[in-house]
Amino acid sequence: GQQLNQSPQSMFIQEGEDVSMNCTSSSIFNTWLWYKQDPGEGPVLLIALYKAGELTSNGRLTAQFGITRKDSFLNISASIPSDVGIYFCAGHNTDKLIFGTGTRLQVFP
Amino acid sequence: DGGITQSPKYLFRKEGQNVTLSCEQNLNHDAMYWYRQDPGQGLRLIYYSQIVNDFQKGDIAEGYSVSREKKESFPLTVTSAQKNPTAFYLCASSRLGVDSYEQYFGPGTRLTVT
Repeated sequence: GQQLNQSPQSMFIQEGEDVSMNCTSSSIFNTWLWYKQDPGEGPVLLIALYKAGELTSNGRLTAQFGITRKDSFLNISASIPSDVGIYFCAGHNTDKLIFGTGTRLQVFP
Repeated sequence: DGGITQSPKYLFRKEGQNVTLSCEQNLNHDAMYWYRQDPGQGLRLIYYSQIVNDFQKGDIAEGYSVSREKKESFPLTVTSAQKNPTAFYLCASSRLGVDSYEQYFGPGTRLTVT
């Protein structure tokens, strides 16, 4: 099955730093979603994007739906220890979600 | 509180045995999904259902079976035909329609088969 490419695969940053990650696809999507997964738990929906070019924020998180509809970006500002986890992007294709491979974020105090 | 419950959290089985994982939701969502997650990997779709008594195969349906007799419930059976059943299994649900793309996940069941 198709999976989206996410980069970077992992990030190690200091508390207070800003973080950027992205997701790319060879296919066009009409919707992009970003999820966060804590170890041993189910993913939690962070942001949903429905229009090409759309920029949406949720607290310290900002996500953008790429103009080409083949990519999306997630930024986290002023990271804190509880931002630790795996971040997944997902694109909507007909009646299914296609998930990215994930970006693992570690935050050091 | 509305949400999705999966039970049990941890499940251990011997090779050759079928095992059924439970998923219940009280969000009044029409659609439900089962995913498999292996270490360091993304989520892969096993089966999904958009309406009671109907379901479709996902990308990795071989060795699995499902039923959807009630809107709230979507149990997954991992059969002995599944070659590598040890994994983290996630159930999700969503509405149907414009915002049906927003899937909400349960806490997962970790299955270990030895």
